[in-house]
Amino acid sequence: EVQLLESGGGLVQPGGSLRLSCATSGFIFSTYAMSWVRQAPGKGLEWVSGIGATGGTTYYADSVKGRFTISRDNSKNTLYLQMNSLRAEDTAVYYCAKVSSTMAASWGQGTLVTVSS
Amino acid sequence: DIQMTQSPSSLSASVGDRVTITCRASQSISNYLNWYQQKPGKAPKVLIYAASTLQSGVPSRFSGSGSGTDFTLTISSLQPEDFATYYCQQSYSTLIYTFGQGTKLEIK
Repeated sequence: EVQLLESGGGLVQPGGSLRLSCATSGFIFSTYAMSWVRQAPGKGLEWVSGIGATGGTTYYADSVKGRFTISRDNSKNTLYLQMNSLRAEDTAVYYCAKVSSTMAASWGQGTLVTVSS
Repeated sequence: DIQMTQSPSSLSASVGDRVTITCRASQSISNYLNWYQQKPGKAPKVLIYAASTLQSGVPSRFSGSGSGTDFTLTISSLQPEDFATYYCQQSYSTLIYTFGQGTKLEIK
């Protein structure tokens, strides 16, 4: 069974940093692209970032480019999102997702990031 | 960047109704279009991928169609568990798979 478990969310002040992790199991992590998707309170889904299976290619939404960094450790089956220069508008539930057949086939339960002073 | 526009943004319907949600891409995306269902407090779930392929385990009352820029999601006979928010998503752009703004399906 595919499992994705996000962690690392919490309350952070504007301008601060946070690192999210997504621990995975139940599939061969090193053969799948992965992504982060977020959802602000009461709002729709926003695709934030994606990373290729080897980690050699990364992609970002314009809203986070230059502030967020996606990475992965295939030896630990774990995906990361380093978030710097956080803003109030980054407040959201952050989901990690396994990409298969060009869709987000499996999702974690999400971790809440709140940016507030 | 490819923009996705869904309509309507909200919809009221009754159990047993046939419902159609539309999604338009700002440029041609061939059939790189997925549909998701999300219930409150839960992660989204894939219903349809590649515009018309039903994900395993999804009831056959859900169907998708379209190609190029215009797509539809149809629920043939609404069931109580179908009241949720639906999102389309393009997967044409490599690993930046933008979503539509969502359609909230409510009970009439």
